[in-house]
Amino acid sequence: EIVLTQSPGTLSLSPGERATLSCRASQSVTSDSLAWYQQKPGQAPRLLIYGASSRATGIPDRFSGSGSGTDFTLTISRLEPEDFAVYYCQQYGSSGYTFGQGTNLEIK
Amino acid sequence: QVQLVQSGAEVKKPGASVKIPCKASGYNFINYYIHWVRQAPGQGLEWLGIINLSDGGTDYAHTFRGRVIVTTDTSTSTVYMELSSLRSEDTAVYYCAREAPATYKFDYWGQGTLVTVSS
Repeated sequence: EIVLTQSPGTLSLSPGERATLSCRASQSVTSDSLAWYQQKPGQAPRLLIYGASSRATGIPDRFSGSGSGTDFTLTISRLEPEDFAVYYCQQYGSSGYTFGQGTNLEIK
Repeated sequence: QVQLVQSGAEVKKPGASVKIPCKASGYNFINYYIHWVRQAPGQGLEWLGIINLSDGGTDYAHTFRGRVIVTTDTSTSTVYMELSSLRSEDTAVYYCAREAPATYKFDYWGQGTLVTVSS
């Protein structure tokens, strides 16, 4: 099973700053199968990025994804107040689908 | 609009089973997959399994094989997830989510169903 490790566990930033979230896989992942989600308290996750770098419908362009192989990044260029949430990466492999443990993006 | 609607919270005793429905609307039901994902209190997301609605094929995470069954009633556009031999560690919010075939992204999610396992 491919294990996804996200870092940092918690990221404290201010509105207007740039956020860089990392997702590292225990073995190589096809870029097609790497996605990012945002989750706010009491809500279901929301798809942000799929195929490592494609934004989902309605997602603002301040969100971008990059990476390949075992290292992937979600970048939020200028944080808005509504961006503070938990972010998960997810991949599909031979053993099915797995999620990272999440990065909590909190207001500094 | 696309909607996945789940049932309300459930309380179960250890050893019991729970069967959660996920009713889909607003799209061509059989052209998509439905997944089940759970989230224990304060924890991350954990994938349980998938059903391919075009042929009924299923696959499950190794952790849950033998304890989870995903079925469908195409006449009502509803997918069911049944988890058996419940234990306290199964206390979680259970979500259904949609995937267009081989896109590896969950684009719509149900609102979640809280299952509490307690004696």
